[in-house]
Amino acid sequence: GQQLNQSPQSMFIQEGEDVSMNCTSSSIFNTWLWYKQDPGEGPVLLIALYKAGELTSNGRLTAQFGITRKDSFLNISASIPSDVGIYFCAGQLLTGKLIFGQGTTLQVKP
Amino acid sequence: EPEVTQTPSHQVTQMGQEVILRCVPISNHLYFYWYRQILGQKVEFLVSFYNNEISEKSEIFDDQFSVERPDGSNFTLKIRSTKLEDSAMYFCASIALYEQFFGPGTRLTVL
Repeated sequence: GQQLNQSPQSMFIQEGEDVSMNCTSSSIFNTWLWYKQDPGEGPVLLIALYKAGELTSNGRLTAQFGITRKDSFLNISASIPSDVGIYFCAGQLLTGKLIFGQGTTLQVKP
Repeated sequence: EPEVTQTPSHQVTQMGQEVILRCVPISNHLYFYWYRQILGQKVEFLVSFYNNEISEKSEIFDDQFSVERPDGSNFTLKIRSTKLEDSAMYFCASIALYEQFFGPGTRLTVL
């Protein structure tokens, strides 16, 4: 079945640093989504990408949909303590079904 | 801003008991989903629902699971006879076009 490989698994960075995480897959997806999950809560959508090669920003977040439609990255610039959480990539199929990556746990040291 | 809501936030049950998890999707959305997240693991697809019927289900979604949209607003997931391994966060999600919005989840604990 479809699987996403997300890396890194965890990151521990200093406040103000930039962060980069990525997802790769052997399958093609129509849409890539990046979510953030805080403890005990549901995933919250950060960025949605619809076209191969698309680069989209949302404040300090930037994400790109790979040309091959099999990968995506998320960058967070100038990290702040509230960026702490688990970040998930998700590939969306035509049916709407989401396949999630394993998550990247981000910790930010003030 | 419209949001997906879920009740209860936490459900504790004995093994073998039936549970019903409830969701109210965003009102103009047409596609509905249930996902599961075992503690510390990734979110996994369970089932999708459109036009009052299941459109796709995963291998996790066996005969013990069922979904229903009993009225115009609620969307429920029933587990007929819970097992210890059903303990997880269960998320409902809905979608209008492309962007899938998740509810806050129900934490199910099976003892």
